[in-house]
Amino acid sequence: KQEVTQIPAALSVPEGENLVLNCSFTDSAIYNLQWFRQDPGKGLTSLLLIQSSQREQTSGRLNASLDKSSGRSTLYIAASQPGDSATYLCAVRDWGAGKSTFGDGTTLTVKP
Amino acid sequence: DAGITQSPRHKVTETGTPVTLRCHQTENHRYMYWYRQDPGHGLRLIHYSYGVKDTDKGEVSDGYSVSRSKTEDFLLTLESATSSQTSVYFCAISDSNRVERETQYFGPGTRLLVL
Repeated sequence: KQEVTQIPAALSVPEGENLVLNCSFTDSAIYNLQWFRQDPGKGLTSLLLIQSSQREQTSGRLNASLDKSSGRSTLYIAASQPGDSATYLCAVRDWGAGKSTFGDGTTLTVKP
Repeated sequence: DAGITQSPRHKVTETGTPVTLRCHQTENHRYMYWYRQDPGHGLRLIHYSYGVKDTDKGEVSDGYSVSRSKTEDFLLTLESATSSQTSVYFCAISDSNRVERETQYFGPGTRLLVL
């Protein structure tokens, strides 16, 4: 059974700092990995999708990497801003299953 | 934002009452999903649909049923609500015929309280 872990559960940084969020998964047989952002009381917003054949994807200040062999992905946020404060979740789309497995998320607070 | 709406957005009901949640999309996407989100459990898949009248169970399907009679609508029914079904329910849709490129888009959620 696929397990997805995100450590730490919470992270607080000063504005302007570059930071890395981590996502690890136990089964490397995946189609893709997706990073989401969730604001309090809201739904999930898709940030980046990395296909299993890709190593990284970039969108603005965000860069996500994928290392299938080690079961790890990172989300790099450059020059963090208070508006980046949210919970960030990763999800892997498993081979042979019509579903994704989600991590519990990392709650990020960026202090002005 | 993907055109996904959920109704109702908030609901309070009593134990033993049937409840139906609706997800409506305007994107004509084939796949639709129902998740629940609970502290300590993250997001868990309840049921999903891969076409009109084509549905399958997720990991926490007991006590729930679904129906999809039109591409744009996916209904989740709690047959007899229990307090353990108090949760936030999210609908999601996905947009690709190639699973490697499948991006999921989420609705705003429905907060359900079962007393």
